Amino acid sequence: KNEVEQSPQNLTAQEGEFITINCSYSVGISALHWLQQHPGGGIVSLFMLSSGKKKHGRLIATINIQEKHSSLHITASHPRDSAVYICAVDNNDMRFGAGTRLTVKP
Amino acid sequence: NAGVMQNPRHLVRRRGQEARLRCSPMKGHSHVYWYRQLPEEGLKFMVYLQKENIIDESGMPKERFSAEFPKEGPSILRIQQVVRGDSAAYFCASSPPGGGATSGANVLTFGAGSRLTVL
Repeated sequence: KNEVEQSPQNLTAQEGEFITINCSYSVGISALHWLQQHPGGGIVSLFMLSSGKKKHGRLIATINIQEKHSSLHITASHPRDSAVYICAVDNNDMRFGAGTRLTVKP
Repeated sequence: NAGVMQNPRHLVRRRGQEARLRCSPMKGHSHVYWYRQLPEEGLKFMVYLQKENIIDESGMPKERFSAEFPKEGPSILRIQQVVRGDSAAYFCASSPPGGGATSGANVLTFGAGSRLTVL
C-alpha cells in the first residue's frame, strides 16, 4: 500500500464545476504540500499545510491531521486549471501521491 | 529574483557517459531537494542537501548517483555511466532556512526541471 493515496486518479469536469481532490496518508508528517504540474511538466507549489485550511484565489486546501486526510478544492473550475495535482507529505523526506489528472472542458 | 534555476533543461547522453545536472536555489534559500520523475510515473524524492551537507539521501540509488551542494555554486546531481533507465525529468526544489515545516508560506519552490534522455 502506498503511503500517500490520492483520489481520483483522473477527473474530467465541465467549466464552472466545483472540484475536489482527496489525499490520504499513513505516515506521521510535519507538513503536507499540494503541487500542480502543468502539461509542459513545470511544477508549482500551491499550498503547504500543517493544520486547518488555506485559501488562495479559487483554490482551497484543508487538512485533518487526526484522520490523516487532506482535500484540494477548486471553485468555478476553468480549462486553465487542467493539470496534474500532486499531494506530497513531508516527514523529513517527501513522499508523493501518484497525482490526479484534471481536465476541465469548456 | 529568478527563482530556482536548473540547467541544462534538456540533456542527451549515450549509455556509459556521465550526466551532470545543476540547480541554483532561490536567493536566500539554503536547502535543496532533488526529485526524479520517470516517464509515466510520479515524483520520487532523491536527496536533501544543505550547504556542504547531505541531510537525507534515502531516495538516491546506491550506485552511480551522487549529489553535492558546495559552499559556493549550484547543487550538482551527478549520474555516472548512465543507462537508459536513467532517462527522466529531474526536478530541484529549494526552501529557506527552517526547511519545509515552519511558516504558512509555500516554502518549496521548484525549478523547471532537467530532462535527461539516454540513448
